Amino acid sequence: DVVMAQTPLSLSVTPGQPASISCKTSQSLLHSDGKTYLYWYLQKPGQSPQLLIYEVSSRFSGVPDRFSGSGSGTDFTLKISRVEAEDVGVYYCMQGLHLPRTFGQGTKLEIK
Amino acid sequence: EVQLVESGGGLVQPGGSLRLSCAASGFSFGSYWMTWVRQAPGKGLEWVANIKQDGSEKYYVDSVKGRFTISRDNAKSSLYLQMNSLRVEDTAVYYCASGSGCYTWGQGSLVTVSS
Repeated sequence: DVVMAQTPLSLSVTPGQPASISCKTSQSLLHSDGKTYLYWYLQKPGQSPQLLIYEVSSRFSGVPDRFSGSGSGTDFTLKISRVEAEDVGVYYCMQGLHLPRTFGQGTKLEIK
Repeated sequence: EVQLVESGGGLVQPGGSLRLSCAASGFSFGSYWMTWVRQAPGKGLEWVANIKQDGSEKYYVDSVKGRFTISRDNAKSSLYLQMNSLRVEDTAVYYCASGSGCYTWGQGSLVTVSS
């Protein structure tokens, strides 16, 4: 199975400051169709997960533009340009190329 | 508005069975792969299974192969997960999600396997 290594596992950020989460995968997520199947989700406290980013860098409908994704191959990053209080929760990356799909361990974001 | 509503969870003894349902609305259900993901209490997300638009392809995580069956009824815009030979370690909130990339998620259904 593809191993998804997220770092850090937790971070505490002052509102208005940036945040960055890394996701490294044990196999390339580049498909022969040219797309790279890496997703980012946020699970807010007490809620279901919600999709933020698909195919590395495309923001899902309604996701604020302070969220951005980047990377290629096996190395990916989620960035929040200016953290807001509503961004607290656990962030997960998921690979959508290999079976079974696998998630990272999760990164817990809290506000200072 | 896209909506996914899971039902069918509950308390079951080890070795027992449950059938989860997921009612979809607000999108063209038959045009999307559908996925089940679970989350054990206090733990992270685990992909369980997915199914192609016409049901012709189904994939499972190894830990549930031979015990769980994913299915769908496009006429009813519904997704199902038949869970047999349940184990204590299957205890989790089970989410259905639209698309192979889990674009939208339901609220989840809690399955507790305990004697």
